[in-house]
Amino acid sequence: DAKTTQPNSMESNEEEPVHLPCNHSTISGTDYIHWYRQLPSQGPEYVIHGLTSNVNNRMASLAIAEDRKSSTLILHRATLRDAAVYYCILLNFGNEKLTFGTGTRLTIIP
Amino acid sequence: SQTIHQWPATLVQPVGSPLSLECTVEGTSNPNLYWYRQAAGRGLQLLFYSVGIGQISSEVPQNLSASRPQDRQFILSSKKLLLSDSGFYLCAWSVLGLTPSGRAQFFGPGTRLTVL
Repeated sequence: DAKTTQPNSMESNEEEPVHLPCNHSTISGTDYIHWYRQLPSQGPEYVIHGLTSNVNNRMASLAIAEDRKSSTLILHRATLRDAAVYYCILLNFGNEKLTFGTGTRLTIIP
Repeated sequence: SQTIHQWPATLVQPVGSPLSLECTVEGTSNPNLYWYRQAAGRGLQLLFYSVGIGQISSEVPQNLSASRPQDRQFILSSKKLLLSDSGFYLCAWSVLGLTPSGRAQFFGPGTRLTVL
């Protein structure tokens, strides 16, 4: 499985945008970029995913580099409830298995 | 809308005792179902997944087994628990076509198991 690299931790001020980076230099043409987050003592929550084009939904935006070797999850206005571990995962179409790494622990400062 | 249930929410069991954790999904048909475990301070590890009734794939050798007796029911079992079986057990489901492309997975609330 292609691997992703994320910073171990990040901090952001409340009500400011947050940009969470992910490197995936060995991504293949059929790998989708998925983002999940896990709040304390809860199961992971699907956030967003994309293939080549930037994606937006009610939770976040996903910006994908033109060469697809990196991506950035954008939280437009962080709240305290966004404090969580964020996982960037590559999922090959047809492969049903998510492989979770260590993710980025996001701390929101009031 | 789809919902996923897991029970019990928490469980404390002695070493050597049996285990049965249940997961059910509502509001969808023929989902893929998954069991994950998260040991304390560690990442999630996929244990089993199922693409249909009676079809189980095991990802790692372990003391656990899984069964899918019905389309939307997934059960995780053990005959004799070990201390190392302690952890946070999560069930998840996915359905092709729910999102525009690829399969997003949706997780249940989890069961926190402590083996003493």
